[in-house]
Amino acid sequence: GAVVSQHPSRVICKSGTSVKIECRSLDFQATTMFWYRQFPKKSLMLMATSNEGSKATYEQGVEKDKFLINHASLTLSTLTVTSAHPEDSSFYICSARVRGESNTEAFFGQGTRLTVV
Amino acid sequence: GESVGLHLPTLSVQEGDNSIINCAYSNSASDYFIWYKQESGKGPQFIIDIRSNMDKRQGQRVTVLLNKTVKHLSLQIAATQPGDSAVYFCAENTGGFKTIFGAGTRLFVKA
Repeated sequence: GAVVSQHPSRVICKSGTSVKIECRSLDFQATTMFWYRQFPKKSLMLMATSNEGSKATYEQGVEKDKFLINHASLTLSTLTVTSAHPEDSSFYICSARVRGESNTEAFFGQGTRLTVV
Repeated sequence: GESVGLHLPTLSVQEGDNSIINCAYSNSASDYFIWYKQESGKGPQFIIDIRSNMDKRQGQRVTVLLNKTVKHLSLQIAATQPGDSAVYFCAENTGGFKTIFGAGTRLFVKA
């Protein structure tokens, strides 16, 4: 199956700093990638849809200035958590779908555990 | 808003028994459904999917059933093994691209 890689898998940062998380599709092109956030023992909450070459589409209640998304190429999307605070600590997961395919399975990265201290 | 949800938050089964995990969805326009397995600290792993023009689909040891009349999905795992212990999520595709997740069920397999 297709592989989606996230980096880093774990990161600890100080309050007030920014953290960048990368999501790469390794063996396929993805015009659309998705970013999710997951709290302990909870489900995945869709944060935004990352569109190659255009602005991301954010879900209701997600601060776009807080969570900056850039999808500069067909294989890379980045999520930057700006001015991080302890409440931003969470498990962030990206997914991607093969270019041009809708209503097919999305491939997920292994997740990034963010801890803000 | 419309969402996908689950009836059972936890399920404990004996090794070798069959497991059934249920899910209710509310978006009648959804036409594609997926079951994912998530192990601790990892991303979701695809198990099986089904389109709305089907009511049953089988994979290796897993079967998904779709009842559109009552908006209900189920995942059946045959001969459950310790390695099946994980959290299982049903998910639906809305708008063709976005995948929305349900609340999840934790499956415990007792040896």
